[in-house]
Amino acid sequence: GQNIDQPTEMTATEGAIVQINCTYQTSGFNGLFWYQQHAGEAPTFLSYNVLDGLEEKGRFSSFLSRSKGYSYLLLKELQMKDSASYLCAVGRRDSNYQLIWGAGTKLIIKP
Amino acid sequence: DAGITQSPRHKVTETGTPVTLRCHQTENHRYMYWYRQDPGHGLRLIHYSYGVKDTDKGEVSDGYSVSRSKTEDFLLTLESATSSQTSVYFCAIANQPGGNNSPLHFGNGTRLTVT
Repeated sequence: GQNIDQPTEMTATEGAIVQINCTYQTSGFNGLFWYQQHAGEAPTFLSYNVLDGLEEKGRFSSFLSRSKGYSYLLLKELQMKDSASYLCAVGRRDSNYQLIWGAGTKLIIKP
Repeated sequence: DAGITQSPRHKVTETGTPVTLRCHQTENHRYMYWYRQDPGHGLRLIHYSYGVKDTDKGEVSDGYSVSRSKTEDFLLTLESATSSQTSVYFCAIANQPGGNNSPLHFGNGTRLTVT
């Protein structure tokens, strides 16, 4: 079947580094997206990986291993404003490219 | 930011009444989506549209219908609201299918409560 798993909640300290993992099982894999969602707001796009490896964008990096069905989002130099939920989503070629979404990881940043 | 507006932002309605939510975009994007978001679940696709008058069902379409009579507007209708449809509803747009290297841009959501 189709499935995406992420930790429900994580806590980290301001200024530190945190890694949020996402594992998936799906057919017709067509890339993995990360979105950020602050409480009460809309999700906003962070990154897209379709090939194996690390993509870096400022303080945020995203990694993909297709053979392992695994991705992570790495946040460096954490700031209080990074407190949010982080959503992992997988695109599938064999379903008109519809996305399967994980339930999200709530990241709490402490001073 | 993508120009996408949802209305209303909040609505309280009674069981059995019909409800229509509106999504309006100014980006001329072909693809439009309606999702619902509930605690403990990922975003779940209700219906989507790939062009004017072209729509298809998502994974949780029962009890919902949609219409897209022009590029900029995508309407979601709850035929007869039930308490299980209490949720936050998000509209999203994309210029290619959302899972094909094309990020979705989301509206600010509609919080619907069915009493």
